[in-house]
Amino acid sequence: KQEVTQIPAALSVPEGENLVLNCSFTDSAIYNLQWFRQDPGKGLTSLLLIQSSQREQTSGRLNASLDKSSGRSTLYIAASQPGDSATYLCAVESTGNQFYFGTGTSLTVIP
Amino acid sequence: DADVTQTPRNRITKTGKRIMLECSQTKGHDRMYWYRQDPGLGLRLIYYSFDVKDINKGEISDGYSVSRQAQAKFSLSLESAIPNQTALYFCATSAPPADEQFFGPGTRLTVL
Repeated sequence: KQEVTQIPAALSVPEGENLVLNCSFTDSAIYNLQWFRQDPGKGLTSLLLIQSSQREQTSGRLNASLDKSSGRSTLYIAASQPGDSATYLCAVESTGNQFYFGTGTSLTVIP
Repeated sequence: DADVTQTPRNRITKTGKRIMLECSQTKGHDRMYWYRQDPGLGLRLIYYSFDVKDINKGEISDGYSVSRQAQAKFSLSLESAIPNQTALYFCATSAPPADEQFFGPGTRLTVL
């Protein structure tokens, strides 16, 4: 069974800092990896999707990379802002088209 | 208007009651999913459906059933609710080949 881990569980940074969130998975046979943002009590908002054949995707200040062979993905956030404060989740689509989620990293950006 | 909607948004019920959560989508996606989210456990897949005639169990299907009434509608039922089914429930959709998932706003269910 696929296991997805996100470290750290919580992160607090001053505004303007660049930061990296980590996601690791145990089975490299994935179809894609997706990063989400979740605000308290709200649904998940898709940030970036990386197909298994891709190495990275970028959207604005966000850049996600994927190293399938080592079972790792990172989400890089440039020039962080207080509005970036949220929980960030990664999910992988594995064999059988099932999705497995990490437990998330709770990010606080301090003004 | 939201692409993926869920009703109700909040529900409090009692042990043993039957309850249905509904999901509708206007994205035109064939694939739909039901998840539950618990603190510290993340999201776990309950059921998924790739078209109206295709229903599959996910990681934690015991105690739940689903119905795919149309391409746009996917309902989750708890036949006899129990307190440990108290959680935040999410519906999601996707379409191949990318399978990017889009989520509804969630239903907060409390079973007393």
